[in-house]
Amino acid sequence: RKEVEQDPGPFNVPEGATVAFNCTYSNSASQSFFWYRQDCRKEPKLLMSVYSSGNEDGRFTAQLNRASQYISLLIRDSKLSDSATYLCVVRVTGANNLFFGTGTRLTVIP
Amino acid sequence: NAGVTQTPKFRVLKTGQSMTLLCAQDMNHEYMYWYRQDPGMGLRLIHYSVGEGTTAKGEVPDGYNVSRLKKQNFLLGLESAAPSQTSVYFCASTRHGSNEQFFGPGTRLTVL
Repeated sequence: RKEVEQDPGPFNVPEGATVAFNCTYSNSASQSFFWYRQDCRKEPKLLMSVYSSGNEDGRFTAQLNRASQYISLLIRDSKLSDSATYLCVVRVTGANNLFFGTGTRLTVIP
Repeated sequence: NAGVTQTPKFRVLKTGQSMTLLCAQDMNHEYMYWYRQDPGMGLRLIHYSVGEGTTAKGEVPDGYNVSRLKKQNFLLGLESAAPSQTSVYFCASTRHGSNEQFFGPGTRLTVL
């Protein structure tokens, strides 16, 4: 079973729309959670960490549900520049590495 | 600062050939990683290093070797390339205690 599972999409949304992605993780010992963004043919970059109480960064809101072992990312007022693949990432307690989901592709349409 | 750099950016190999991918970082990070990314599979960890002179296996280490002789460099070797190793290879680094990994631009490898 994969450590992190995501819906691959694609999600095609119009500019200005609100879109949400979810991912689930399998290891209850997971301690840290993140969303990375990867543009086409580019390297992944950290978008934001996900905290237990939920957190916002501008138009982006991340939430964590430890009981159900899922993480979400909400993007409000979508921009064309938000088009990318969003990777759900988890760190397990005691591990030196991160576990990446396969990513969810978002295309924002004019 | 250049961050994380990778050479080469592209390479085409024939089955059975060998090559070395070089990753370099100028951020004085202790930890370095090699991933491969394939469609539908996401990023999978090949090998990683927590410091100069130390390496460890990741999720998919078979067919690869690594070395970390200097803190700033992490080399990934393919001794006898196979078509199954056609992929995009990313190097990443992070400092001890941090969760943010910084990635290089990737190496696109095709094995014919």
